[in-house]
Amino acid sequence: AQSVTQLGSHVSVSEGALVLLRCNYSSSVPPYLFWYVQYPNQGLQLLLKYTTGATLVKGINGFEAEFKKSETSFHLTKPSAHMSDAAEYFCAVKGYSTLTFGKGTMLLVSP
Amino acid sequence: EAQVTQNPRYLITVTGKKLTVTCSQNMNHEYMSWYRQDPGLGLRQIYYSMNVEVTDKGDVPEGYKVSRKEKRNFPLILESPSPNQTSLYFCASRGLRRDEQFFGPGTRLTVL
Repeated sequence: AQSVTQLGSHVSVSEGALVLLRCNYSSSVPPYLFWYVQYPNQGLQLLLKYTTGATLVKGINGFEAEFKKSETSFHLTKPSAHMSDAAEYFCAVKGYSTLTFGKGTMLLVSP
Repeated sequence: EAQVTQNPRYLITVTGKKLTVTCSQNMNHEYMSWYRQDPGLGLRQIYYSMNVEVTDKGDVPEGYKVSRKEKRNFPLILESPSPNQTSLYFCASRGLRRDEQFFGPGTRLTVL
């Protein structure tokens, strides 16, 4: 079985500030980890994923995440927030076949 | 264009009136899945299918049915909808040996 915990249902940053969205997971098998983004009134789009190999993964729109096995974490970061980054972000873990999502973090970006 | 399509995109219905939400993918994916999204709860899996005629329950299957008679289609059936099934529904698919799921645009269902 697997589960995902996203810390903070809402995160507010100023434009140009660092973005940090936290994700911790549990998994009974080596995890595959994902971050998805959902813009208002749209479906989910894959930002990045970790399967095996390099623990620092880069995704689209300048986002990256680091897999830390010892901390069971997969936090999402972006050095400088842009207004267009305002959206809801979901962390997910894949077990044998199914994908389990966290409850989501809404990123608010102010000018 | 590779995509997952859902119909309808919006639906308002009444309690007890049977409905079907269709899902179709054109990527020859074996795996298909249905999720519901509710505020503060994230996405929860309803049912999934590993291939034709193979379906299994997800985390919240009560009140839903699915079928997988063709590889490309995976309809979600609500035999007797209730107001607690008001939600945003997403269909997704992926290849069996792939990791990334592709999501449809969503169906917003309101049950009065």
